[in-house]
Amino acid sequence: GAVVSQHPSRVICKSGTSVKIECRSLDFQATTMFWYRQFPKQSLMLMATSNEGSKATYEQGVEKDKFLINHASLTLSTLTVTSAHPEDSSFYICSAKSRLAGGVETQYFGPGTRLLVL
Amino acid sequence: GENVEQHPSTLSVQEGDSAVIKCTYSDSASNYFPWYKQELGKRPQLIIDIRSNVGEKKDQRIAVTLNKTAKHFSLHITETQPEDSAVYFCAATKEVTGGGNKLTFGTGTQLKVEL
Repeated sequence: GAVVSQHPSRVICKSGTSVKIECRSLDFQATTMFWYRQFPKQSLMLMATSNEGSKATYEQGVEKDKFLINHASLTLSTLTVTSAHPEDSSFYICSAKSRLAGGVETQYFGPGTRLLVL
Repeated sequence: GENVEQHPSTLSVQEGDSAVIKCTYSDSASNYFPWYKQELGKRPQLIIDIRSNVGEKKDQRIAVTLNKTAKHFSLHITETQPEDSAVYFCAATKEVTGGGNKLTFGTGTQLKVEL
């Protein structure tokens, strides 16, 4: 249980175009999902917290108009990188909170999306 | 906000030896500390976690210890195997029922287990 998928796994786009990344919780409902960005050999940096049915909460320094987040259902959150530029090239990973038996909450990560902007 | 420091950044051990990775956190309110293993190009996988109501937790060859007073926690891997080679991240958060509970990650430790 607690499987999180992401699509696409890899995308190459031209500078100036927009790219949408989907994050799905496959076997559980996630009221909260998180979007991270990871540069090579670096840690995961939280970009935003995505809450179902409400606006996302962005971390300091992350442009909400640049990185659009939509959490339309309890199993799907999307991240759209608008007008992508080469500096947006990175590994984007989502995670979703799952409440296990006993009421314990744990975060499970998606497989990540590698974005390359030419 | 929370700040998590992790050491060492790289760790090389011989197969069969033990490996220890240490993390410190700044927010005394943090009460949940997971450890993730990430292989190259793959997703972080939760390997063990600990909550502040216990001081130690063990799962086969992996154990985690927590010192709330000193605000540090450690990952211990015994009888290391080549497949343990990966990047390990510690994290911390204050769990609040119904809250965001966003994780703050350490900078990662590249563990290499040599034959």
